[in-house]
Parts: sequence; C-alpha cells; structure tokens
Amino acid sequence: NAGVTQTPKFRILKIGQSMTLQCTQDMNHNYMYWYRQDPGMGLKLIYYSVGAGITDKGEVPNGYNVSRSTTEDFPLRLELAAPSQTSVYFCASSSGTAPFEQYFGPGTRLTVT
Amino acid sequence: AQSVSQHNHHVILSEAASLELGCNYSYGGTVNLFWYVQYPGQHLQLLLKYFSGDPLVKGIKGFEAEFIKSKFSFNLRKPSVQWSDTAEYFCAVKRSGGFKTIFGAGTRLFVKA
Repeated sequence: NAGVTQTPKFRILKIGQSMTLQCTQDMNHNYMYWYRQDPGMGLKLIYYSVGAGITDKGEVPNGYNVSRSTTEDFPLRLELAAPSQTSVYFCASSSGTAPFEQYFGPGTRLTVT
Repeated sequence: AQSVSQHNHHVILSEAASLELGCNYSYGGTVNLFWYVQYPGQHLQLLLKYFSGDPLVKGIKGFEAEFIKSKFSFNLRKPSVQWSDTAEYFCAVKRSGGFKTIFGAGTRLFVKA
C-alpha cells in the first residue's frame, strides 16, 4: 500500500513552459486535492475533486488545470509557467467520510526561472 | 470566508519545556479540526483530530489539543518537548458537510537539545 505518490520530486521549468504533475493514490479515496505550499503562507488549495469526472476550483486555481478520469489519478497541469508558480506542490486524498483525515504525498518542488 | 489563524509563526524551545501553539478559526458552524505536522524533509502527516465528543483529544507522540467552541480555538499542547519535535505544525479546519479543508499558515517549532 503506497498511499499517495507524486512525480516528479523536483523540476525546473523555464518561463512559458508547461508540465503535468502526477498524483496517484491506491486507497480508493473519492476525494483528492492539490495544494501549494509557500513559506509562511501555509497550504493553499488549488483544485479538488470529489470523484472521477468531478473537479472544482480551490482558493488559487489561476494558471492551473486538473482532470480526474479515474479514482486513482489526479494530475495537475501548469500551462505557461510563471515565476509566481515556484512552490512546493502537495497532492492529498481523503475517503470523504468521517473523520475526514487527508493523506499527503511527498510533494513536488517546482522552480520556474 | 472561512479562515484559520495560527498565532506564532516561529517558536524556539529548549528540550523538556512545555509547548502550546494557538489556533483560531472563523467559521461559526459545526467543524472538524486537525493538527498536521511536517518534519524536516517529509510530507504532512496527521498529528490529531477532533470530530465530535470529548473536546480534549490526544494524538501521537504525547500531543493533545483542546477544542473550545466558545473561543473558536483548537490549541495544541505538549507537556515536555523533545528535540525530535522540531517540525512545522499546521492547524486545519473543515466545515461539516463541506469538501474543503482550510489550513493555517503554520508554526515552525525548533527545539534546542
């Protein structure tokens, strides 16, 4: 049982490039989330999904897109990368039932230069 | 909008000192409350949670937290910290019936050996 896995661990992008951050969970969780973590700012929700085919915006969705074609996978797409997207990105999942604990992946450290 | 405030951004303690980290939230309805911990170089993991019942909850590694509904608070405590408690601690709140969990900005704890 691997839990939540994310790839890649590190990535450097040039301004204007695009990339997809991968996230997979093997716990059959319905709920999945993408957060970004910036120093002193905590975690900000980018997008979330409550099941395959259902996604919705979080607090900071601009510049990102997501899809959820399967229960297991929830990729995050960055289009036209900007320096403001330099951050650490965490994917998380939850069963959606009490007590609503979230399980986090190891994170992807992204630098846009 | 729902928000979570953590009073201290940085805390430095000596080993064996007592710890209390403050957390207040703004939502007035029924909530689920969490403390997550992020050890250096690791991803977030659950420390403890409040869902219902006894407002004093105990978590891993000797941590506890008390939910005071009248004060909208969920402060984290530990009677005697250890060097291994050096980490960043995040308070998080989920509105009952909602999909999203809102995280505080985090408190970085450094414990001197």
